[in-house]
Amino acid sequence: KQEVTQIPAALSVPEGENLVLNCSFTDSAIYNLQWFRQDPGKGLTSLLLIQSSQREQTSGRLNASLDKSSGRSTLYIAASQPGDSATYLCAVRGGSNYKLTFGKGTLLTVNP
Amino acid sequence: DGGITQSPKYLFRKEGQNVTLSCEQNLNHDAMYWYRQDPGQGLRLIYYSQIVNDFQKGDIAEGYSVSREKKESFPLTVTSAQKNPTAFYLCASSMTYSSYNSPLHFGNGTRLTVT
Repeated sequence: KQEVTQIPAALSVPEGENLVLNCSFTDSAIYNLQWFRQDPGKGLTSLLLIQSSQREQTSGRLNASLDKSSGRSTLYIAASQPGDSATYLCAVRGGSNYKLTFGKGTLLTVNP
Repeated sequence: DGGITQSPKYLFRKEGQNVTLSCEQNLNHDAMYWYRQDPGQGLRLIYYSQIVNDFQKGDIAEGYSVSREKKESFPLTVTSAQKNPTAFYLCASSMTYSSYNSPLHFGNGTRLTVT
């Protein structure tokens, strides 16, 4: 059974800092990995999707990497801003039924 | 503007009543999903539909029912058989179910409170 872990559960940084969020998964036989952002009381916003054959994806100040063999992905946020404050979730799709398994998220607070 | 609309945003019901949550998408996506989110538990899949007129149970389908009569609509009914229905419910869609490059898009959720 696939398990997805995100550590730390919460992170607080000063504005302007570069930071890395971590996502690990137990079964490396995945099709893709997706990073999401969730603001309080809202739905999830898709940030980046990395296919299993890819090593990284970039969008603006965000860069996501994937190391399938070690079961790890990182989301790098450059020059963090207070508006980046949210919960960040990763999810992996894998298995014979293409099931999507979510981590519990990292709550990021960027202090002005 | 394409997206997923969930309504209502907040829903209050008495115990023992069935309630239906609406989910509509205009993204022309084949696949649709219902998730439940509880504090500290992450997202759990209730039901999913790969294509119109088809749906499958997810990990926690007991006490819930769905229909997929139209491509753009995937309503979820929370029945009185669901033991702990109070939760935040999220609807999602993707272009296809099994594509390797088909991201999930989410609605803004419905918060259901049952007393």
